[in-house]
Amino acid sequence: DAGVIQSPRHEVTEMGQEVTLRCKPISGHDYLFWYRQTMMRGLELLIYFNNNVPIDDSGMPEDRFSAKMPNASFSTLKIQPSEPRDSAVYFCASSPGLSTGYTFGSGTRLTVV
Amino acid sequence: SQQGEEDPQALSIQEGENATMNCSYKTSINNLQWYRQNSGRGLVHLILIRSNEREKHSGRLRVTLDTSKKSSSLLITASRAADTASYFCATDGRQAGTALIFGKGTTLSVSS
Repeated sequence: DAGVIQSPRHEVTEMGQEVTLRCKPISGHDYLFWYRQTMMRGLELLIYFNNNVPIDDSGMPEDRFSAKMPNASFSTLKIQPSEPRDSAVYFCASSPGLSTGYTFGSGTRLTVV
Repeated sequence: SQQGEEDPQALSIQEGENATMNCSYKTSINNLQWYRQNSGRGLVHLILIRSNEREKHSGRLRVTLDTSKKSSSLLITASRAADTASYFCATDGRQAGTALIFGKGTTLSVSS
């Protein structure tokens, strides 16, 4: 298995632009998570899905952020419009259960200028 | 909000020495997990310890859990330069449907 695959690895965009981050979870994992990592705030849970259904989106910062999981093998995190304070590393993770070990992707480093 | 808090924030040791990192958390849990993150990479799951367990081993890793003190420790024995990384504890909380919440991590530097 190739693990959790995220794209792109790096994204530099101008303030106000739309950004879409992509994730392919491990086949057979029922849970998918989006986390954001910054030096100041550490790792923050943004949203997670169970069987493609969003369960907890209380960590999504504001309406500029949206996440979808149209099928079991693909999820997107969209920021529209992007702002400099959105600069961070965004991780996608998947797991077979909520209380099992999570497998993380390599992350997308987002820089908004 | 952070559930787990690691201590110390940074740790520097020589190869062959043991490294101990501690984690404290605030609410009751079902299990506690430890992860490693190498620079510029994603997190890697190391070990999971359930709330009814007190100690668990995996290779050179030893994890303890004290639910009465709401704390855990990760011991890496005979450290190697390749152990240089950040280490995070994560807890799930007892409330159903709670995903893992991570602490801010301990940065371990092992010099040869």
